[in-house]
Amino acid sequence: EVQLVQSGAEVKKPGESLKISCKGSGYSFTSYWIGWVRQMPGKGLEWMGIIYPGDSDTRYSPSFQGQVTISADKSISTAYLQWSSLKASDTAMYYCARVIGSSYMDVWGKGTTVTVSS
Amino acid sequence: QSALTQPPSVSGSPGQSVTISCTGTSSDVGSYNRVSWYQQPPGTAPKLMIYEVSNRPSGVPDRFSGSKSGNTASLTISGLQAEDEADYYCSSYTSSSTYVFGTGTKVTVL
Repeated sequence: EVQLVQSGAEVKKPGESLKISCKGSGYSFTSYWIGWVRQMPGKGLEWMGIIYPGDSDTRYSPSFQGQVTISADKSISTAYLQWSSLKASDTAMYYCARVIGSSYMDVWGKGTTVTVSS
Repeated sequence: QSALTQPPSVSGSPGQSVTISCTGTSSDVGSYNRVSWYQQPPGTAPKLMIYEVSNRPSGVPDRFSGSKSGNTASLTISGLQAEDEADYYCSSYTSSSTYVFGTGTKVTVL
């Protein structure tokens, strides 16, 4: 069974750094892009960026370029989303998903809640 | 990259049909058949319902169908059921080699 398992909820203070993870199983992790999606409280889905774990080729939405860093460790089938200095506006649910054929996201993780508050 | 435009809400009685539109531009929906639709009941992760405009993944009921004309894609739910009540989002590949989601539509079963 193809699965993406995301790390647990995080509560952080403004200015702190954070790295959340997404571990794939049940398929060849290096052969498919992984995407990250933000959902702020009560709002819609926003596409953040994608990474190809095979060669770490990464693309960002213009809205998120420079705000976050997407990376992957193919040796442990895990993708990451990280912030160097969190803001209250980063409070959201973050989903990872497998991307098929540069087209659609077929399997999603359950999401990681990030709360940034002083 | 602006979000694709969807109506905020649609509603229908059980058994009726509803259609959700998703309007983009010639840089996304109009140029690629890489339009997908996702269902998100409250408090859950999105679920793929339609991919590449009109294809249904295994396990998705055939009352869900998709189409596209020009810069607008559509999702139709025929024979609406109570379990279809959820938020629905479209998504498209773009000419910038990125992706964009729609603004989301809340489907209410009356």
